[in-house]
Amino acid sequence: GAVVSQHPSRVICKSGTSVKIECRSLDFQATTMFWYRQFPKQSLMLMATSNEGSKATYEQGVEKDKFLINHASLTLSTLTVTSAHPEDSSFYICSTQESGAPGYGYTFGSGTRLTVV
Amino acid sequence: GQQLNQSPQSMFIQEGEDVSMNCTSSSIFNTWLWYKQEPGEGPVLLIALYKAGELTSNGRLTAQFGITRKDSFLNISASIPSDVGIYFCAGQLSEVGDGLTFGKGTHLIIQP
Repeated sequence: GAVVSQHPSRVICKSGTSVKIECRSLDFQATTMFWYRQFPKQSLMLMATSNEGSKATYEQGVEKDKFLINHASLTLSTLTVTSAHPEDSSFYICSTQESGAPGYGYTFGSGTRLTVV
Repeated sequence: GQQLNQSPQSMFIQEGEDVSMNCTSSSIFNTWLWYKQEPGEGPVLLIALYKAGELTSNGRLTAQFGITRKDSFLNISASIPSDVGIYFCAGQLSEVGDGLTFGKGTHLIIQP
């Protein structure tokens, strides 16, 4: 099945700095990738949809200037948390869906635990 | 936006017992998915449902997609310690291109 690699798995950064998270589809080309955020003991919330070669689509309430998404190739999407603050500390998870494989082809990365101190 | 109401929030059961959890929604979903998430990991797909009324099994897991496409249940039979984790339902509005809407999760705790 599809494999999605996410890196880093954990990162600790100082308040005010920026952090980049990478999401790679290893064995297929992904025109669309999704970014989710999960706070402790809560569910996953969709942040944005990343489209290869075009601008990302952000969900209501998600600041596009704070969470920069770049999907420059069919196998890589990056999420950059800019000027991070402690309230941005969360578990960030990417996912992608193989074209022609609805539902079942929806694969998640292993997540990135971001801690802002 | 869409919301999925998942219950129960948590379950404390004895090893060997059967488990049942469900999700309801005010919206109609094209696809309904059940995931399990372990601490510090991304969700892992358990069962995917595509057709209204569909009943699908995966080992000891059984899930059904409601006739109205607004609800689903997941059953786990004869629970074992490795079933411990958080189970999420998730819905996808269209076939491809939409992100998932997740339920709040059911935390399953098994006492030996």
